[in-house]
Amino acid sequence: RKEVEQDPGPFNVPEGATVAFNCTYSNSASQSFFWYRQDCRKEPKLLMSVYSSGNEDGRFTAQLNRASQYISLLIRDSKLSDSATYLCVVIEGYSSASKIIFGSGTRLSIRP
Amino acid sequence: GAGVSQSPSNKVTEKGKDVELRCDPISGHTALYWYRQSLGQGLEFLIYFQGNSAPDKSGLPSDRFSAERTGGSVSTLTIQRTQQEDSAVYLCASSSNGAGTDTQYFGPGTRLTVL
Repeated sequence: RKEVEQDPGPFNVPEGATVAFNCTYSNSASQSFFWYRQDCRKEPKLLMSVYSSGNEDGRFTAQLNRASQYISLLIRDSKLSDSATYLCVVIEGYSSASKIIFGSGTRLSIRP
Repeated sequence: GAGVSQSPSNKVTEKGKDVELRCDPISGHTALYWYRQSLGQGLEFLIYFQGNSAPDKSGLPSDRFSAERTGGSVSTLTIQRTQQEDSAVYLCASSSNGAGTDTQYFGPGTRLTVL
């Protein structure tokens, strides 16, 4: 089993729709979680951190489910500009020796 | 302010040649990471520098890969005797102190093509 797994997609949804995707991780001791966004042929950029209690940033909501070992990203009222690949990042440990693992990404395409 | 910069942006080389890729992190960031991203794949961790500590080389795929970080700032990733499977985008990132919760800021990457 991969350490971090994501559905590669592509998810193809109409503008205005709500879309959600998950990322599972294998190490129950994982401590920190993030969602990064990567546009085509561009570098990844931090979208949001994922907190234990769940967190929201505008149209984006991130959730952590430790019992089932997954994180999720929900996008409401999707925009054309949301089209990108979404990478989940799992960090095992708090220190500078933490292991950082990127998922292979979920491709999202928003159609007009 | 200036972000992470990488050079060259594109590199085409012949199989068997050596290549050097450069990364300039954000000024003041003590942590620097190198990743590799093949077409349609996620990021593969290669090596991590934190301050003056010995680097974490656990992700380097073979002994043909090496990296240095001079003066705690600029880093070079060297690939010797390149192979076609080395073709990928090589991304560098820096973070302020390397803690697990730190945001990583990525450079634009170097696209390496080995013919």
